[in-house]
Amino acid sequence: GNSVTQMEGPVTLSEEAFLTINCTYTATGYPSLFWYVQYPGEGLQLLLKATKADDKGSNKGFEATYRKETTSFHLEKGSVQVSDSAVYFCALTDGSGNTGKLIFGQGTTLQVKP
Amino acid sequence: DGGITQSPKYLFRKEGQNVTLSCEQNLNHDAMYWYRQDPGQGLRLIYYSQIVNDFQKGDIAEGYSVSREKKESFPLTVTSAQKNPTAFYLCASSTGGAGTDTQYFGPGTRLTVL
Repeated sequence: GNSVTQMEGPVTLSEEAFLTINCTYTATGYPSLFWYVQYPGEGLQLLLKATKADDKGSNKGFEATYRKETTSFHLEKGSVQVSDSAVYFCALTDGSGNTGKLIFGQGTTLQVKP
Repeated sequence: DGGITQSPKYLFRKEGQNVTLSCEQNLNHDAMYWYRQDPGQGLRLIYYSQIVNDFQKGDIAEGYSVSREKKESFPLTVTSAQKNPTAFYLCASSTGGAGTDTQYFGPGTRLTVL
């Protein structure tokens, strides 16, 4: 079945540093790819998504490109802020039919220091 | 405001007791999902429903039950058969079951078994 692997955290950066969180996947067919963010004590919010190869999702300064050749969907931001501190989840569709089911990575904790 | 509500935010139960977690959405979404989140493990799918009066087991359904009698409601019952029920439970919904659909999450319920 489909699966996703994220880089382990925690990731600690200084404010205005460049961020990369790696995400790779294995899948049959053509899954959709997502990045969700979870702030402390809250549910998940969609950050960005891409539904086909070479698509770039972007939101709030974050970007990720759907790379089929490297089966990757790395999250990047050019200059992080303290308010970006959160847990980031990479996810992809299950692939077992049109169910909308998502498979999540284990999450990567980002801490940004002033 | 449209969204997903979960109640209660914190829930304590004694061993051997069943407990029901509420999930309500006013987004007019057809599909609803229940996930369990444990530290460092990402999210795992418990049950999902793509339409009223129908639902399917996810990856970790043992010890849980659900109902979908109304489009806007998808309650989850954690039964005494669930061996390790202490976790953070997240409900989500999407417009349909398509793989490109975004899932919208509620704020979660933290269940602790005493």
